[in-house]
Amino acid sequence: KNEVEQSPQNLTAQEGEFITINCSYSVGISALHWLQQHPGGGIVSLFMLSSGKKKHGRLIATINIQEKHSSLHITASHPRDSAVYICAVRYNTGNQFYFGTGTSLTVIP
Amino acid sequence: EPEVTQTPSHQVTQMGQEVILRCVPISNHLYFYWYRQILGQKVEFLVSFYNNEISEKSEIFDDQFSVERPDGSNFTLKIRSTKLEDSAMYFCASSETFVGETQYFGPGTRLLVL
Repeated sequence: KNEVEQSPQNLTAQEGEFITINCSYSVGISALHWLQQHPGGGIVSLFMLSSGKKKHGRLIATINIQEKHSSLHITASHPRDSAVYICAVRYNTGNQFYFGTGTSLTVIP
Repeated sequence: EPEVTQTPSHQVTQMGQEVILRCVPISNHLYFYWYRQILGQKVEFLVSFYNNEISEKSEIFDDQFSVERPDGSNFTLKIRSTKLEDSAMYFCASSETFVGETQYFGPGTRLLVL
C-alpha cells in the first residue's frame, strides 16, 4: 500500500532544458506533496496537490488521480535547481505521508 | 517570512543516553510533525501532533520515543535510550490546518549515536 515510486532516480540536464520528474502511487490518496531537498539536507515544500495542476514560477506540478500519477516539471532549468526532488502521498485511509526515494537532479551550466 | 526552527543543528550522543530534539513551529500553526531520514534513505514519518495529543504515529515511533509541547512555542521529540540505528536527520514540520495543507519543514537536527 505504501509504495511511492519516483522516476528517474537520477537526472542530469543541461542548463535551459525542460525537466520532468514522475511519481506513481498504488491506491487512492487525499494529497500529494512535492518537496525539494537541498544538498545540505534542508527540505522545502514546493506544492501540495489533490487534483489538477499548480504553477509557481518555473515549476509546474500536475496530478492525474485516475492514473495515480503526478509529474513535476521545471522549465528553463538552472544549476540552482540542482537538488533532490521528493514526492510524498497521504492515502485516503490514513493521515501520515509516505515518501518516495527522491529524484536527484543535477543541472550543468 | 515565518519559519520552523530546530535546535540543536547537530547532536552527538552515546548509545543508551536520552536526547531531546527541539522545534519551534510557525506561531499560528496547529499541526506538528516529526520525520526522520537515515543517511542515504528516504524520509519517514514518525508522528503527528494536534491539540496537545498524538494524532497519528508510525511503527517506528515505539515506546522509546515521546513528543511534548511543553509551552506555547516549543515542540519536542525525546528519545529515551538511544540506539545506534537512531542516527539520522530529524525534521520537524508544522502546518496551519491539516487536510490539504502545505507542511513547512525545519532545517533538521543531525543526530549521531556512538
